[in-house]
Amino acid sequence: AQSVTQLDSHVSVSEGTPVLLRCNYSSSYSPSLFWYVQHPNKGLQLLLKYTSAATLVKGINGFEAEFKKSETSFHLTKPSAHMSDAAEYFCVVTVRDSSYKLIFGSGTRLLVRP
Amino acid sequence: KAGVTQTPRYLIKTRGQQVTLSCSPISGHRSVSWYQQTPGQGLQFLFEYFSETQRNKGNFPGRFSGRQFSNSRSEMNVSTLELGDSALYLCASTQGGGVTEAFFGQGTRLTVV
Repeated sequence: AQSVTQLDSHVSVSEGTPVLLRCNYSSSYSPSLFWYVQHPNKGLQLLLKYTSAATLVKGINGFEAEFKKSETSFHLTKPSAHMSDAAEYFCVVTVRDSSYKLIFGSGTRLLVRP
Repeated sequence: KAGVTQTPRYLIKTRGQQVTLSCSPISGHRSVSWYQQTPGQGLQFLFEYFSETQRNKGNFPGRFSGRQFSNSRSEMNVSTLELGDSALYLCASTQGGGVTEAFFGQGTRLTVV
């Protein structure tokens, strides 16, 4: 069965410093992985996706993630945090069967200090 | 191109009542899936519809049901509401045919009192 584990429930960084949000996945086959962001009282916005092409994936707003099969990880990074990055981030894997189903991690809340 | 539209945005209902939520996917998208988001359980899959057929269902009681119309719009219904049904209900729209990214609506915030 597929699953994702987000290793930190909260991450706090200073504005202008790097961001690292950690995600490990479990899948019996090559997965499709995503990072979504949710701002307060909003829906989910897709940041980036990995679907077995390049292992380093670039997304919106300067975020990127690297798929590492040997470590079963898909960590999200950004070189320099901005105040507007404060939100909750979800690592997500799709279930590959005859339907479409997303399995969400528990989320990481990013706090950006001025 | 219009995004995913969920209506209503907010609902307050009394225990025992029923409620219907609506989701209009992105034009051309044939798959609609529903998720419940609560502080305690996080985001959980409810069900997925493709071309008016339910293809998958999550681990929720039979009080939760849904359907999809020929124009791909979807509704979900919750009967005999319980306090624990209070949540943000999110709808995701996917093109289908192997395309994997989903686009979400803003959600419907349901409060059961």
